Amino acid sequence: ELKVEQNPLFLSMQEGKNYTIYCNYSTTSDRLYWYRQDPGKSLESLFVLLSNGAVKQEGRLMASLDTKARLSTLHITAAVHDLSATYFCAGKGETSGSRLTFGEGTQLTVNP
Amino acid sequence: NAGVTQTPKFQVLKTGQSMTLQCAQDMNHEYMSWYRQDPGMGLRLIHYSVGAGITDQGEVPNGYNVSRSTTEDFPLRLLSAAPSQTSVYFCASSLRGPLTGELFFGEGSRLTVL
Repeated sequence: ELKVEQNPLFLSMQEGKNYTIYCNYSTTSDRLYWYRQDPGKSLESLFVLLSNGAVKQEGRLMASLDTKARLSTLHITAAVHDLSATYFCAGKGETSGSRLTFGEGTQLTVNP
Repeated sequence: NAGVTQTPKFQVLKTGQSMTLQCAQDMNHEYMSWYRQDPGMGLRLIHYSVGAGITDQGEVPNGYNVSRSTTEDFPLRLLSAAPSQTSVYFCASSLRGPLTGELFFGEGSRLTVL
């Protein structure tokens, strides 16, 4: 059974700084997803990573996938307050159909 | 575009009451699912369906029933509400197939059981 762990769970940053959120998963996962959730809101898809070495970037966020290390990272460059949210990674096991297993989430606060 | 629509958005129940959370999608997605979100626990899968007439249990199915009579609708029934079912519930859907799986979420239903 696929297990997904994120760290850190809480992250407080200053604007302009860089940081990385880590997502480790326990068994083979053929793809990895990153979602964003604003307080009291639904989840919004950020990235879908389909293969080893995949890298995707949108604005100040960049996600990568290393299937051999069973690790995905979400890198934040020059953080701004608008990035404050909770970020979830989710994996899909090779035999799990469309079912996703979510990490606990990383609550990011960007302070002025 | 409506996407995934959940109702109600808020509900308060007394212990032992039953209710149904509604979920509808207009994207012709075959896969639909229900998650619950609790602080510090991420999202946990309750039930899912890969198509009309097919449902299966997820990680935390006890106390919940589902049915899938049409492609569009996937209601979640609480049979006899308990305080442990106080949570935020999300319905999500996706296409099936090898290059899909990306979930589209509804706005959530916040349930309090007293």
